[in-house]
Amino acid sequence: GAGVSQSPSNKVTEKGKDVELRCDPISGHTALYWYRQSLGQGLEFLIYFQGNSAPDKSGLPSDRFSAERTGGSVSTLTIQRTQQEDSAVYLCASSFSAGTQYFGPGTRLTVT
Amino acid sequence: ELKVEQNPLFLSMQEGKNYTIYCNYSTTSDRLYWYRQDPGKSLESLFVLLSNGAVKQEGRLMASLDTKARLSTLHITAAVHDLSATYFCAVIQNTGFQKLVFGTGTRLLVSP
Repeated sequence: GAGVSQSPSNKVTEKGKDVELRCDPISGHTALYWYRQSLGQGLEFLIYFQGNSAPDKSGLPSDRFSAERTGGSVSTLTIQRTQQEDSAVYLCASSFSAGTQYFGPGTRLTVT
Repeated sequence: ELKVEQNPLFLSMQEGKNYTIYCNYSTTSDRLYWYRQDPGKSLESLFVLLSNGAVKQEGRLMASLDTKARLSTLHITAAVHDLSATYFCAVIQNTGFQKLVFGTGTRLLVSP
């Protein structure tokens, strides 16, 4: 079956611009996660959704970051006023309840 | 705060040799995962280990878990070039949901 998909695969943006990253989880998966992978920080948790609610936003690096999930399915991660330190690969994962998390291919974000 | 350490960070080995990657974590956890990442690709789930003494094997890879020592190992038997990748262990942080805390990763290079 189809895995987790993310779009765009690559995004280059100018400093100060807003970006939206999209994640389509595996059909039927109730939990959705966003992580960030960068050379300096490794793999970091950002936010978790159970259904449409986000019980834990503690991993979001600043208030420029926000995320939402609609219909218990698609999620968007929005970064406002991007900074160079936001450059990273943003990975989305989904799972059925508390099961194994399956990762998407990621969005490589470059802020110039 | 849960911390996860892996060693070595980089491993260069010849085909046919055996080696072990180590993953230590700082606080108790319900489960531990091993993931593989090929260059430019996403994370592929390899193993989930749920209890003390758990052992899982797939091909030339075998993972084990000692919850008392807070240690997991990924053993590679008779390495082949196709195993070249970065391997991550990830531990569930017991926050009421499945937040993964990742190790630094071990980059494995298998040469003929």
